[in-house]
Amino acid sequence: EAQVTQNPRYLITVTGKKLTVTCSQNMNHEYMSWYRQDPGLGLRQIYYSMNVEVTDKGDVPEGYKVSRKEKRNFPLILESPSPNQTSLYFCASRDRTEGNTIYFGEGSWLTVV
Amino acid sequence: SQQGEEDPQALSIQEGENATMNCSYKTSINNLQWYRQNSGRGLVHLILIRSNEREKHSGRLRVTLDTSKKSSSLLITASRAADTASYFCATTGTASKLTFGTGTRLQVTL
Repeated sequence: EAQVTQNPRYLITVTGKKLTVTCSQNMNHEYMSWYRQDPGLGLRQIYYSMNVEVTDKGDVPEGYKVSRKEKRNFPLILESPSPNQTSLYFCASRDRTEGNTIYFGEGSWLTVV
Repeated sequence: SQQGEEDPQALSIQEGENATMNCSYKTSINNLQWYRQNSGRGLVHLILIRSNEREKHSGRLRVTLDTSKKSSSLLITASRAADTASYFCATTGTASKLTFGTGTRLQVTL
């Protein structure tokens, strides 16, 4: 079954404590990306990756890091989380062909206190 | 910056009625997609329409695209309570970047 898996699904953390949200896909997709979803703002892209070792900033990259050492994994790293990073985060992937269906993970609810 | 803007922001209809949502965008696109999101869940792809297409159907869904007006509409016919969700349009332009609108919340009541 085609899947994008994110972990953790729910997390409450404190300001400044580094955390990583993992993302893994089993479809051998080249393209992966991270979005955050906030009320009234829709989904905004944080970072994306066109392939292994290729990453680029999206619309709201500040405060986040990513890495793409393997094709299937695309972790999102918050080095020093702040309360304004409290949000619902989605990982997504698709194959290289533009316009193909994007598959989303189930989301990770992150609260920074 | 947001590329797509959906209208209306919220829509409440009765089961059996049709629901129409509109999406406007700002720059040239390669294609436009519609997604559905149940509360707090991931987005699910519904339909894609390419920039050289004007209309597309999938089951009870009908999508139109007017590139001269930079707008698209999603029509859900004979709506059901299970159609209650948020609906997002998303555009693909340069660099394969997919940009989402702010969504329309659809409530279908019995």
